[in-house]
Amino acid sequence: AQSVTQPDIHITVSEGASLELRCNYSYGATPYLFWYVQSPGQGLQLLLKYFSGDTLVQGIKGFEAEFKRSQSSFNLRKPSVHWSDAAEYFCAVGNFNKFYFGSGTKLNVKP
Amino acid sequence: KAGVTQTPRYLIKTRGQQVTLSCSPISGHRSVSWYQQTPGQGLQFLFEYFSETQRNKGNFPGRFSGRQFSNSRSEMNVSTLELGDSALYLCASSLGIDRDSPLHFGNGTRLTVT
Repeated sequence: AQSVTQPDIHITVSEGASLELRCNYSYGATPYLFWYVQSPGQGLQLLLKYFSGDTLVQGIKGFEAEFKRSQSSFNLRKPSVHWSDAAEYFCAVGNFNKFYFGSGTKLNVKP
Repeated sequence: KAGVTQTPRYLIKTRGQQVTLSCSPISGHRSVSWYQQTPGQGLQFLFEYFSETQRNKGNFPGRFSGRQFSNSRSEMNVSTLELGDSALYLCASSLGIDRDSPLHFGNGTRLTVT
């Protein structure tokens, strides 16, 4: 069965600190992996995607993610968090427009 | 390019009523998907339309239906509303051709059923 697990519901980091958000997936075929961010009252914005090739992908706003097939993981990272990064982050897997989303990780940023 | 537009932004309905939500995709996008977002269940896939045909469907009851018009605009209808239908309904569009085409989301319609 296809599914996405984001084990951390809430994470709090200090501004300027590094960040890693975890994502594990279960998918029967070649996974197409995505990270989205949602600010309050808004829709989801695409941060980055992975299909094939280099397992470290760069996205917008200084985010990157690493695909590890052996661990079925696609963790999101950022070297230095800014207060404006406070939002909810969703990992997704799917293709041809049927996506499975994780339950999300809410990021709080301490000044 | 204009983004995905959803109307209305907010709706309040009573149990038993029906509701129609509208979505205008990004120009050139032929695929429109609908998702229900709730605090308890997260984002759940409702259905996806491509060139006026339903191509994918999630596990929702038949009270939830949709359609897509020739200009790619889409509507979602929920009949016989239940309290549990209260949610943020998100529409997303994409080119719908490539497997890795990302979804571009609208800001959603917040439906409250009383």
